[in-house]
Amino acid sequence: QQQVKQSPQSLIVQKGGISIINCAYENTAFDYFPWYQQFPGKGPALLIAIRPDVSEKKEGRFTISFNKSAKQFSLHIMDSQPGDSATYFCAAFVGGNKLTFGGGTRVLVKP
Amino acid sequence: NAGVMQNPRHLVRRRGQEARLRCSPMKGHSHVYWYRQLPEEGLKFMVYLQKENIIDESGMPKERFSAEFPKEGPSILRIQQVVRGDSAAYFCASSPPLATRGETQYFGPGTRLLVL
Repeated sequence: QQQVKQSPQSLIVQKGGISIINCAYENTAFDYFPWYQQFPGKGPALLIAIRPDVSEKKEGRFTISFNKSAKQFSLHIMDSQPGDSATYFCAAFVGGNKLTFGGGTRVLVKP
Repeated sequence: NAGVMQNPRHLVRRRGQEARLRCSPMKGHSHVYWYRQLPEEGLKFMVYLQKENIIDESGMPKERFSAEFPKEGPSILRIQQVVRGDSAAYFCASSPPLATRGETQYFGPGTRLLVL
C-alpha cells in the first residue's frame, strides 16, 4: 500500500495557539517523511522533514513527532501566526524518487 | 537562481482539444517529476523523467497522457483529447542529478488546467 492518510481536513486556531496535524501510513518501506506548506496559487514548499530513526525534530516553531511502531507522524505548529494560514501536506518517500502525499489540511489562524 | 518554472500558469481548453504544459527545471537539475492535484485533494505522482528518459510513469493514465524531457528544452506534459475530469493543477518538480531523496524536490508554481 502506498497510502498516506492525513487529518483533520481543516482546522481553525487562534493566534498564539498550537496547530496539530496527523498522518498515518501503511507501507513500512517508507523511509523519509517531509511536510510541505502550500499557499493559494503557489506550489508546495518543503517545510520540515524527518527520518524514521528519529522520534522528534524541531525547526523553529515547527515540530515533527514520529511514532514508528504506530506508523504515525504529526506536525505541531507552535505559537501559530496568521501568516501560517495555508494548506499543509504530509508526504512519504521510498526509493524511486516518488513522493506519496496525504490529502492536505487547510489551516486558518485567526488574529 | 531561478526556481522551477512552469507555463502557462493557467490554461483553458475545450473538450477534445490538446493541452501542453511546460516545465523548466532549476538550473543544474536533470530530474523532473509531474504531479496532479485535483480540487481539495493532495498531489498525486504522475511521472518521473531524466533527460531523454522516462524513469517511472506508474502514475500516468494509460491513454491520452504523455510526457517527455528532451535533451534540450523544457519537459512537456501533453494531454490529448482533454475531458472535464482532466481539470486540475499540474505541478512540476525538479531535483539535482544525484538526488535520491524527496527533500531535494523543488516544486514549480503549477499550471491550472480548466476544461470547458
